[in-house]
Amino acid sequence: DADVTQTPRNRITKTGKRIMLECSQTKGHDRMYWYRQDPGLGLRLIYYSFDVKDINKGEISDGYSVSRQAQAKFSLSLESAIPNQTALYFCATSEGQMNYGYTFGSGTRLTVV
Amino acid sequence: GQNIDQPTEMTATEGAIVQINCTYQTSGFNGLFWYQQHAGEAPTFLSYNVLDGLEEKGRFSSFLSRSKGYSYLLLKELQMKDSASYLCAVKPGGFKTIFGAGTRLFVKA
Repeated sequence: DADVTQTPRNRITKTGKRIMLECSQTKGHDRMYWYRQDPGLGLRLIYYSFDVKDINKGEISDGYSVSRQAQAKFSLSLESAIPNQTALYFCATSEGQMNYGYTFGSGTRLTVV
Repeated sequence: GQNIDQPTEMTATEGAIVQINCTYQTSGFNGLFWYQQHAGEAPTFLSYNVLDGLEEKGRFSSFLSRSKGYSYLLLKELQMKDSASYLCAVKPGGFKTIFGAGTRLFVKA
């Protein structure tokens, strides 16, 4: 099994719909992150969480919300999806020192039509 | 502002050596990372540099010069499976990591 698992892998949804992307990890890391990737742009941080009671906005949090249900689970919601939220979404985990960087999930390809 | 620059695309021949450059301008520096990302897949960690110099790991090496805001990733004995995007990322400090847009490497036979 993968260390960081994301569901679904692919999703097509309509404008205005609410959608949740889920992430679970077996790395035992406290730190979890949600990133989005768009063609020609670097990965951009949406939200991050350093433990269950610690949730923080990243650089592009507008239109998104998150929930840290347990140390191993971190979900991302789009309350009312819009077409410019079409992107590849990655969940990631890390140790505090980050000497080994992030461990990324396989990604969710989201299309909003 | 904070910025990372790397070439958009590169092409190299199987068996050859390729160097992918990365320059950065950030408010601080607490480490530089290289990741490999195959099309449609997750980025995977390749290397971490926090001090100046060369770090070697098998066929891959990464170099850092903090005074020049410069790094490169060196891939030796290129294989077809090395065709991927290579992401340069910098940790300016604290929790934040800034990613470059990536360099797409095409390895041809």
